[in-house]
Amino acid sequence: GDSVTQMEGPVTLSEEAFLTINCTYTATGYPSLFWYVQYPGEGLQLLLKATKADDKGSNKGFEATYRKETTSFHLEKGSVQVSDSAVYFCALSPSSASKIIFGSGTRLSIRP
Amino acid sequence: ETGVTQSPTHLIKTRGQQVTLRCSSQSGHNTVSWYQQALGQGPQFIFQYYREEENGRGNFPPRFSGLQFPNYSSELNVNALELDDSALYLCASSRGIAGAQDEQFFGPGTRLTVL
Repeated sequence: GDSVTQMEGPVTLSEEAFLTINCTYTATGYPSLFWYVQYPGEGLQLLLKATKADDKGSNKGFEATYRKETTSFHLEKGSVQVSDSAVYFCALSPSSASKIIFGSGTRLSIRP
Repeated sequence: ETGVTQSPTHLIKTRGQQVTLRCSSQSGHNTVSWYQQALGQGPQFIFQYYREEENGRGNFPPRFSGLQFPNYSSELNVNALELDDSALYLCASSRGIAGAQDEQFFGPGTRLTVL
């Protein structure tokens, strides 16, 4: 069945460092891909999405590109801030359904 | 615009009991999805309701059941609680069921502990 595999955490970086969180997926058809973020004490929020191959989703300085040839959707940010500390989930929505399938999450901590 | 709300915030039950969790959709949304998030894991899809009808179900046993009301609020019922049912239960609402075109907005969740 459809699934998402993402980089295990926790990931700890210094402020202004470059961030990459790897994500790969298995799916039939043409799924939509997402990154969600869960800040401490808050609900899940959609960070960015891409609905077709080679699309780039971006928001708040974060970017991810839908790579069908490598079935990947890696999250990147050029310069992280302390406020980016959160748990990040890679996810997909199968082309024939509106449910969301999540990865196991990556906890990110940024040191001042 | 009011976001997705869930009640209660926390709940403690014992094995074998039954529980009902509630969710109020965001204004203008007719679709509600429920997810179970075990500690340290990603959310797992339980089921979805669209205009009061079930529209898809994940790999959960029949003792997990749901309901959506005419005002599009929703309930999740779990019978015969087991220890493994301890988790954060998330509700998400959306304008429709058109996949990625209809963003799902998540509530803060209900933390269920089964002793």
